[in-house]
Amino acid sequence: GIQVEQSPPDLILQEGANSTLRCNFSDSVNNLQWFHQNPWGQLINLFYIPSGTKQNGRLSATTVATERYSLLYISSSQTTDSGVYFCAVSRNNFNKFYFGSGTKLNVKP
Amino acid sequence: EADIYQTPRYLVIGTGKKITLECSQTMGHDKMYWYQQDPGMELHLIHYSYGVNSTEKGDLSSESTVSRIRTEHFPLTLESARPSHTSQYLCASLGRRGRGSTDTQYFGPGTRLTVL
Repeated sequence: GIQVEQSPPDLILQEGANSTLRCNFSDSVNNLQWFHQNPWGQLINLFYIPSGTKQNGRLSATTVATERYSLLYISSSQTTDSGVYFCAVSRNNFNKFYFGSGTKLNVKP
Repeated sequence: EADIYQTPRYLVIGTGKKITLECSQTMGHDKMYWYQQDPGMELHLIHYSYGVNSTEKGDLSSESTVSRIRTEHFPLTLESARPSHTSQYLCASLGRRGRGSTDTQYFGPGTRLTVL
């Protein structure tokens, strides 16, 4: 399978701060997604981003496929951003997705 | 927002019982997945399906079985539950919602299973 490494594993921020989360993967992929898992366990898709850059409000993501990494930027963080952020990749026809171990974010008021 | 449902949300059951975790989606997606996740840990794929009558095992060995008789329904069954099966089970489907959208995974709320 594909190895997916996320960093940092834990992150504590004060409300209003900015942060960058990283996802490294060990092989070429044709699908990469970022998810947010809230404290109740629900996973929400943030970005589908196998390459390039996308922005959605305070969140943006960049994937450099040739160098096998992706970055998730959170600006002006809010307490509702707390939770675990996962990166997931797939290689062939979305048959299997491989998840990283996540970055646990705690935004304090 | 996502049209994918799981029942029950929580289940506490004794060792040796047979259980079925339900998963349904109303988006017409062909591809569906079951993941197992321990608290605070990564998700592990245990089963996936390309469509009706098509199921495959994932990378994480699991004693559970699945079936896909209808597109919208992808139940997971444990014939004899054990304490080692205690975990959260997440169901997902892959596809598009709306014009111009891309293929993304949509997750159900999960079932938290505890086997005593």
